[in-house]
Amino acid sequence: KAGVTQTPRYLIKTRGQQVTLSCSPISGHRSVSWYQQTPGQGLQFLFEYFSETQRNKGNFPGRFSGRQFSNSRSEMNVSTLELGDSALYLCASSLLAGFNTGELFFGEGSRLTVL
Amino acid sequence: GENVEQHPSTLSVQEGDSAVIKCTYSDSASNYFPWYKQELGKRPQLIIDIRSNVGEKKDQRIAVTLNKTAKHFSLHITETQPEDSAVYFCAATKITGNQFYFGTGTSLTVIP
Repeated sequence: KAGVTQTPRYLIKTRGQQVTLSCSPISGHRSVSWYQQTPGQGLQFLFEYFSETQRNKGNFPGRFSGRQFSNSRSEMNVSTLELGDSALYLCASSLLAGFNTGELFFGEGSRLTVL
Repeated sequence: GENVEQHPSTLSVQEGDSAVIKCTYSDSASNYFPWYKQELGKRPQLIIDIRSNVGEKKDQRIAVTLNKTAKHFSLHITETQPEDSAVYFCAATKITGNQFYFGTGTSLTVIP
């Protein structure tokens, strides 16, 4: 079974630009969540999608948005990039039965550098 | 919201010694506590987890303990090996969704 796939793996943007990151979950996984990883801050929750609906949202500004498609693939978008948005963005998928929390399977991440 | 604190931030041990990493959480409604290991340049992977109805869980050299009253849980690694060197993250969540709150990580170095 293929793992969680994230694209692109690396990207460099300048302040003010916007970026879209993509995530393909493990086949059969309907929950996709996104995390921002920075040194010293650990993993911070951005949002979680299940069956194309955003179920949970973390404490990030509205510049951070996401969506999920009918095939469970997900995208996140960051608009008006700031230097502080430089981070590793991790996508994770999970096989859920109802609302039972399960293991998160992470992708390798998309490393965003904002100049 | 939930707040998870993790200590220490760095830990060095001699090969064969034990390592203990501790986490505290603030939301008494949290009831699922996983631990993830992230090797350098790789993705985080689940190594062990515990649910609130259990006080301790073991899997070979690793174990996790949970004290719900004190709202803290710990990861114990015995007989450490160089391949245990990694960053370890604790997390807490409620079993009604998939919003995980992670600690800031512990960088474990096992010295051969």
